[in-house]
This record gives sequence, structure tokens and C-alpha cells, in this order.
Amino acid sequence: DGGITQSPKYLFRKEGQNVTLSCEQNLNHDAMYWYRQDPGQGLRLIYYSQIVNDFQKGDIAEGYSVSREKKESFPLTVTSAQKNPTAFYLCASSSDTIAGYTFGSGTRLTVV
Amino acid sequence: RKEVEQDPGPFNVPEGATVAFNCTYSNSASQSFFWYRQDCRKEPKLLMSVYSSGNEDGRFTAQLNRASQYISLLIRDSKLSDSATYLCVVYSGGGADGLTFGKGTHLIIQP
Repeated sequence: DGGITQSPKYLFRKEGQNVTLSCEQNLNHDAMYWYRQDPGQGLRLIYYSQIVNDFQKGDIAEGYSVSREKKESFPLTVTSAQKNPTAFYLCASSSDTIAGYTFGSGTRLTVV
Repeated sequence: RKEVEQDPGPFNVPEGATVAFNCTYSNSASQSFFWYRQDCRKEPKLLMSVYSSGNEDGRFTAQLNRASQYISLLIRDSKLSDSATYLCVVYSGGGADGLTFGKGTHLIIQP
């Protein structure tokens, strides 16, 4: 079955560490996205990529980095420059923004 | 700044009742509208797109009022399994930058 897979489900990071969240899709979607969700807040766009080897910053890109070397994969690195990284991170993909997104099951990142 | 506003709730509704909630948007040029459902600590899932003429999917009806700039979701004969947070999503064009998520309305169906 086609879908979008995020790993790990839970991740703990020490202060000052970089961590990478994985996102893989086999839906043959061109576009992929990373969102952050904080309690009681709407989803906020971190980065997105509409084609391989190209990506754009979203509303809250500072302290994050991404790569898009393959159509299926869009990993997100949370760097030590991100001052408040504890959040629920959601990866999504779509064939067309208007068609709606398919989300992965999310990664819950906690700084310890 | 694009704004999408929802009443956060919670809406506490007895099983079998009908419940409706609205979402207002500020950008009159918005093109597409969606309702997503998000269960506690899970990812959002697309519930339905909202068309200009209104649309229905089983017990769920979505409506768009462009003049007043709001969309609505009506749930009939509510089930315990309808308990979730419902996210309003508005697309104003321009790719991913143009997609704005509301903070969600929390619905609790009580037995």
C-alpha cells in the first residue's frame, strides 16, 4: 500500500545536538512538506520541496535544514540553532496542493 | 497576514445529536478549502474538500459562504468515534506558502 512513513515516532535530543527526522513516501508525489505543531496551535510550515534537488523555506525555517536528493525522501534536520525544538513534527506529501495532503504519522521530539 | 480562525471548543455533544462549527478566513482570494480530522497525538487526515456548491459525504456536510468568508462542517447523528479535533484548511494559491491551517475545533461526543 502507498503511504508516507516517518521515523522515529519518538525522539529525545540533548541540548546542543543535531537530530534528523526521516520522511519517506511511495505515493509518487512530487511535493513534500515539513510542518511543526505545538499544543493548541495550528500547523506551521518549516520547509517544502516541489521537485527533487529543490526546496524552499516556509514560515519558520530558522534552525532547521532539509535535503531532497530523491523523490521519495525528504529528511529534516533540527539543528542546535533551533531554540525551542520540542514539538510534534509532521511530514506530508501531495501531487497538487489543491488536492490536499497525505500526512505521515509524525515524530514527537523532546529536548532533555 | 493570512488568517484562519476557528472556535477551539471543546464542543461537548451527546451521541446522536447534530453539531456544526464554522471557520472564518480573511483572504477573500482564497481558492480551496478543506476539513481535516486529527485524533489525539495523531496526524491530520483529510476529511473532505469544500466545494462552492456545498458537498455531502454520509453524515458530514460541508458548506462554503464566500460572501461572509466562512466554511462550515455539519455532522449528523454523531457517533462516539467522531470525537476528534477538526482542522479548517484554506488555500490561497502560490504553492505550499498559500496553505493555512486553523488551530482546530475540539469535538467530544458523549455517550
